[in-house]
Amino acid sequence: SQQGEEDPQALSIQEGENATMNCSYKTSINNLQWYRQNSGRGLVHLILIRSNEREKHSGRLRVTLDTSKKSSSLLITASRAADTASYFCATDGGFKTIFGAGTRLFVKA
Amino acid sequence: EAGVAQSPRYKIIEKRQSVAFWCNPISGHATLYWYQQILGQGPKLLIQFQNNGVVDDSQLPKDRFSAERLKGVDSTLKIQPAKLEDSAVYLCATGLGDSYEQYFGPGTRLTVT
Repeated sequence: SQQGEEDPQALSIQEGENATMNCSYKTSINNLQWYRQNSGRGLVHLILIRSNEREKHSGRLRVTLDTSKKSSSLLITASRAADTASYFCATDGGFKTIFGAGTRLFVKA
Repeated sequence: EAGVAQSPRYKIIEKRQSVAFWCNPISGHATLYWYQQILGQGPKLLIQFQNNGVVDDSQLPKDRFSAERLKGVDSTLKIQPAKLEDSAVYLCATGLGDSYEQYFGPGTRLTVT
């Protein structure tokens, strides 16, 4: 089974609202990454958070990591129609990178 | 900086035929990955190279799939013979090494009929 599991599977919000996606995983990790995929640009790396970090920011993105709960969250603030995409978490446990099934985000203009 | 190049972008073959995909990494990236992404799912790692050595191929169906990385640069992934369930997008990604972000190519969409 896949390491990371995103929740919710799908999310529909209005432009300007915040979007929160969660990722849970099973075993210890070195780092956790979030990627975005849309038809126009393919899979794009968003942010990497290492196991000794608790929070990282990049522009409108905020990622948290709770290793005790084996979970991470991705917050997109002030969402835009261009944020419509699938978002994947990917865990690196030192052997290989494992992607979850993704959260499909739809931002309505 | 040029991105990861993949070819072809699309391929349609009949079952039991063979097919090959090519990947050219970003210059200087030692790590190269091949993923299979079935519609509606996340990418599944098939094989990971560090330079021209295999780091992980535990999820590569070795009875039909093979991959090589020539001189630690370009890589090819081959399927022979193809099955209907091999229909997917095959993604190549490269990076500076383990625990670094991966840069993905546009993928090759394979349809097996």
